[in-house]
Amino acid sequence: AQSVTQPDIHITVSEGASLELRCNYSYGATPYLFWYVQSPGQGLQLLLKYFSGDTLVQGIKGFEAEFKRSQSSFNLRKPSVHWSDAAEYFCAVGTLSGTASKLTFGTGTRLQVTL
Amino acid sequence: ETGVTQTPRHLVMGMTNKKSLKCEQHLGHNAMYWYKQSAKKPLELMFVYSLEERVENNSVPSRFSPECPNSSHLFLHLHTLQPEDSALYLCASSRGLAGDAETQYFGPGTRLLVL
Repeated sequence: AQSVTQPDIHITVSEGASLELRCNYSYGATPYLFWYVQSPGQGLQLLLKYFSGDTLVQGIKGFEAEFKRSQSSFNLRKPSVHWSDAAEYFCAVGTLSGTASKLTFGTGTRLQVTL
Repeated sequence: ETGVTQTPRHLVMGMTNKKSLKCEQHLGHNAMYWYKQSAKKPLELMFVYSLEERVENNSVPSRFSPECPNSSHLFLHLHTLQPEDSALYLCASSRGLAGDAETQYFGPGTRLLVL
């Protein structure tokens, strides 16, 4: 069965600093990988996704992620964090469930941004 | 309205009450999902519907009863809940029929408190 590990529960960075959130997955086939962000009291918003092709994917709000098959990782990065990036970030691996999809999520990383 | 909407946004109910959560998607999608988000736990997939048929039920207790009358609407009927059922319930939708793991789009959630 697939699984996702986000080893950092909570990260604090200063505004303007770079950010990297870690994600490791376990899945027997080629994974479909996602990063979502959740602001307090809100649902999940898609940041970016990897299905195939270029292993460096660009997303919204200046985020990018790199798929590394050899390390089973899909880390999220941003070169300069803004205070509005404070939120919880979820990595997920997608599989099929009949004709629908099935997402398995990590436990999330809460990002705090200091001014 | 656009995207995925959920009502109510907040719900307080006693253990003997019966209530329903409603989800509506305006994206023309064919698959819909219910997730449960509890504190300090990964998002848990509860139910998956594709073309109004349930394709997955992740060992959810029978006090949760889903209903999908058409591809745009999804309900979660609640009865005789327990305090540990208090959580954020998220609805999502995806295109479906792609034969591929797809992007899911989430609603804002219903915050449920069971007293």
